[in-house]
Order: sequence, then C-alpha cells, then structure tokens
Amino acid sequence: NAGVTQTPKFRVLKTGQSMTLLCAQDMNHEYMYWYRQDPGMGLRLIHYSVGEGTTAKGEVPDGYNVSRLKKQNFLLGLESAAPSQTSVYFCASSYSSLGQGYWTQHFGDGTRLSIL
Amino acid sequence: KNQVEQSPQSLIILEGKNCTLQCNYTVSPFSNLRWYKQDTGRGPVSLTIMTFSENTKSNGRYTATLDADTKQSSLHITASQLSDSASYICVVSSGYGNKLVFGAGTILRVKS
Repeated sequence: NAGVTQTPKFRVLKTGQSMTLLCAQDMNHEYMYWYRQDPGMGLRLIHYSVGEGTTAKGEVPDGYNVSRLKKQNFLLGLESAAPSQTSVYFCASSYSSLGQGYWTQHFGDGTRLSIL
Repeated sequence: KNQVEQSPQSLIILEGKNCTLQCNYTVSPFSNLRWYKQDTGRGPVSLTIMTFSENTKSNGRYTATLDADTKQSSLHITASQLSDSASYICVVSSGYGNKLVFGAGTILRVKS
C-alpha cells in the first residue's frame, strides 16, 4: 500500500519551460490537493479536486493548471515556469471534506522544484 | 484575515524531556484543528484532529489541547525521543469545505 506517490522527486527547470507533476493515490480517496511549501511560510493550497473530472482553485492558483481525469491521479502543470515557482510541491488526498468530521489528510513526500 | 501563528519558531531540548508547542489562530468560522508532524524531506503526517467541542486529544506521547474560547491550542510531547526531531505544524479548518490555514511550524530538535 503506497499511499500518495509523487513523481518526480526533484527537478530543475529553466525559466519558460513547462512540466507536469504527477500524483497518484491508491486509497480510493475522492479529494485531492496540491500545495506549495516555501521557507518560513505555511503550506498554501494551489488547486484541489473533490472528485474525478472536477477541479477548483485554491489560494495561489496563478501560473498553474490541474487535471483529474482518473480518480487516483491528480496532475499539476506549469505552462511557463518562473523563478517565483521555485518551491516544494506536496500532493495530498482525503476520503471526504476536511471541514467535516475527522477525515485524515495523507501527503506525498513532495517534489522539489528549482527554476533558474 | 485568517491566520495561524505558532511559537516558538524553533526549540532544542534534551532527550527524555517534555516540551509544549503553542498555536494561536484567528480563523473563522472554525471547523477543526489539526497537528501534523513533518520529518525533514518528507510530507506532513497527521497527529491529532480536534473539533470545537473537544479540549484534549492524545496520540501516544503527543497530547493536544484546544481552547476554542481563546482560540489557542498546544501540543505537549512527553519523554521526548530523538525521532521527535521534526517540524510540527498547526492547521485550522475554516468552515465545512477544504480550506485549511497552515501555520509556519515549530522546528523541534531533540539532542542526546
């Protein structure tokens, strides 16, 4: 049981390049999330999905796009990378809404992205 | 503005000692409060989740408290171990959706 798996673990890009970060979960969770973590700051929500085929904007969505074509996968795309997008990106999943009850949020181990 | 403030920013303690981490929040409406542990190079892992009606919850040597009136929470670690060295993150859920407000974390280092 792998939980939440993120690929790649590390990546270096040049400004203007594009890439896709992959997230896969094997827990049959409906909800999936993409966050970024920057030094000295709390995690910030980029986009999230409440089910297959649905996506919604989070706190810092500009410069990113997402897709949830399959329930187990959530993709984060950078169309034209900028140095300000240098960060550690975390994917997470949960069975149901985090504001209701005691649903646990499960995180992957992150993708460390540097943009030169 | 919804905010979660944690103190101290960092802490060093000797193995076997106890410590308490603090969290103050201004998130409204409040749904629940979570504490996560994040090891270096890893993703956060959930320790406890508390709703407004709970004021204490334990998970092994970790005990979280919540005072919804003063909007404060604490995480107490008993008989610390080297493996407790990590960042501890306080997170508050706003409303019934998926909007979590994360604190910046307290970095704990346990020395032998």
